[in-house]
Amino acid sequence: GAGVSQTPSNKVTEKGKYVELRCDPISGHTALYWYRQSLGQGPEFLIYFQGTGAADDSGLPNDRFFAVRPEGSVSTLKIQRTERGDSAVYLCASSLGQQTGELFFGEGSRLTVL
Amino acid sequence: GEDVEQSLFLSVREGDSSVINCTYTDSSSTYLYWYKQEPGAGLQLLTYIFSNMDMKQDQRLTVLLNKKDKHLSLRIADTQTGDSAIYFCAEIRSSNTGKLIFGQGTTLQVKP
Repeated sequence: GAGVSQTPSNKVTEKGKYVELRCDPISGHTALYWYRQSLGQGPEFLIYFQGTGAADDSGLPNDRFFAVRPEGSVSTLKIQRTERGDSAVYLCASSLGQQTGELFFGEGSRLTVL
Repeated sequence: GEDVEQSLFLSVREGDSSVINCTYTDSSSTYLYWYKQEPGAGLQLLTYIFSNMDMKQDQRLTVLLNKKDKHLSLRIADTQTGDSAIYFCAEIRSSNTGKLIFGQGTTLQVKP
């Protein structure tokens, strides 16, 4: 595809449920990032993958959050036992290399936890 | 508090210049960035500046960097209604990972 694709674009779930958010990066981009953006705030770093491995997961807020990228392309962000405070737009971005800072963002997945 | 600070809102008239300001805290940041977010769209890189530069010009955009004061600004000349968006300043916190730390964003409103 031409850009970073994220699915679903909108997800409404109930408190306590499990959620998966998917990111399909630009082909050939080895670096992949997940960010979370709350209303009126800037994107907040969650996790960074270089290839298949999570090179920096320092932004994950707690152990309910987990992300994988098993084949070095598509990534899935998994949230267990969702809480109302998890409601936000989850952004995925990819880049050619980890040092450029030029990230290509998807349009995000809006998660609402009721 | 926020590591990267921006004013929240700026309103200008079409044709005027817009200046969006940002302060950052990490003096070791090698690059500083401006991203733009339009309604319903993902963030898009507008421009960036290397930390050993004072100024960078790219068509209608001028970036000024004051390293002593850790102050970054984005000037948009001849602002158009299509420039209405949220503008985010970002610093690269780790050159090993390319991890960006964003400010909270400045909403630019351009009135016709």
